[in-house]
Amino acid sequence: QLQLQESGPGLVKPSETLSLTCTVSGGSISSSSYYWGWIRQPPGKGLEWIGSIYYSGSTYYNPSLKSRVTISVDTSKNQFSLKLSSVTAADTAVYYCASLDTGGVCDYWGQGTLVTVSS
Amino acid sequence: DIQMTQSPSTLSASVGDRVTITCRASQSISSWLAWYQQKPGKAPKLLIYKASSLESGVPSRFSGSGSGTEFTLTISSLQPDDFATYYCQQYNSYSPVTFGGGTKVEIK
Repeated sequence: QLQLQESGPGLVKPSETLSLTCTVSGGSISSSSYYWGWIRQPPGKGLEWIGSIYYSGSTYYNPSLKSRVTISVDTSKNQFSLKLSSVTAADTAVYYCASLDTGGVCDYWGQGTLVTVSS
Repeated sequence: DIQMTQSPSTLSASVGDRVTITCRASQSISSWLAWYQQKPGKAPKLLIYKASSLESGVPSRFSGSGSGTEFTLTISSLQPDDFATYYCQQYNSYSPVTFGGGTKVEIK
């Protein structure tokens, strides 16, 4: 069974870049059965898909965030990462990493990490 | 993008009640719809995929139906562990993934 764990700073200053890493265990990030994605949830609000990556490096981003988002994969470390640039308070959220089947269903999730944007 | 609208946003029910949550898509998504359950402070948990397929390990009191633009999640007999927020998600391959706004199931 896959396990995912987010890591990264819990506090980011406005205008800076948010960086998070997701470590995958219990399976290979190079599996052709999965995409790897980031989803966020502002406090008290709903879920927003940020983007996904395939082990080959193909990426798919939410159009509303595309200009600020970069998702990358490191197969040697079984990790994938998120960078979100020029953050504002509106980017304060719990950030989840997840595995998505080839259809787009999020079947395994990390526990989530709260990132607060504040000076 | 495909917009997903859930109703109601909040639902008050008692243990043993039959509960139905509706999710509408702004355009047809065939059966490319999933349902998740989320409890406070926890990650969402997959319940149903492809509109009506029950994820392994999920109790049979949960069921999903629908196709095209209208979908429902039904809990046949609400249990204490089912009080949570439920989200629908569309995953049409030609459109970015989007989630509904959520339905909170509260104790009546």
